[in-house]
Amino acid sequence: DSGVTQTPKHLITATGQRVTLRCSPRSGDLSVYWYQQSLDQGLQFLIQYYNGEERAKGNILERFSAQQFPDLHSELNLSSLELGDSALYFCASSVEYLPTGELFFGEGSRLTVL
Amino acid sequence: AQRVTQPEKLLSVFKGAPVELKCNYSYSGSPELFWYVQYSRQRLQLLLRHISRESIKGFTADLNKGETSFHLKKPFAQEEDSAMYYCALSGLIQGAQKLVFGQGTRLTINP
Repeated sequence: DSGVTQTPKHLITATGQRVTLRCSPRSGDLSVYWYQQSLDQGLQFLIQYYNGEERAKGNILERFSAQQFPDLHSELNLSSLELGDSALYFCASSVEYLPTGELFFGEGSRLTVL
Repeated sequence: AQRVTQPEKLLSVFKGAPVELKCNYSYSGSPELFWYVQYSRQRLQLLLRHISRESIKGFTADLNKGETSFHLKKPFAQEEDSAMYYCALSGLIQGAQKLVFGQGTRLTINP
């Protein structure tokens, strides 16, 4: 499957811990986006990278950070986890620099903080 | 503030009936608008975008700048249309072009 892949699919951890979510974009896509989907909330934009550089930031908490590596995969690091961080985290990719075209989504990583 | 509002969390219609999923936006400028759909056990995927002005799977959406709306319509619903639908806006928000989503509407088509 040459689509967007996210690992892990499910993750259960405790408050105060740190986790890393990983995303591999579609072959040829240079942009990677991270979105958070909590209960009763839509998809909240967190951050976008283009070819290794941060391009746009949304409502991403200071406890969260991300990066895109030279091979274009991206990681989202969540630290000092709180119960409210429990959510589905989506990664998406696209070939464009700006989010004006189609985004291709992964299946998401479901994080449960106990 | 720039945002997308989908007033209905849940929408249920009978097969063969018309469907309209509402989307309103708040944006000071000319946004680009999209509808994304997530079918059961599938990934979120693009359904249509306003600049294409095309009909996909029988769905159409017209951008109404006066009413700041981008409602999704289909004249005759089919059971396979049951899914989660998200309206999205791409625009300049807090200094950067971003794609923001509404909260989504779960559409159920009853047989």
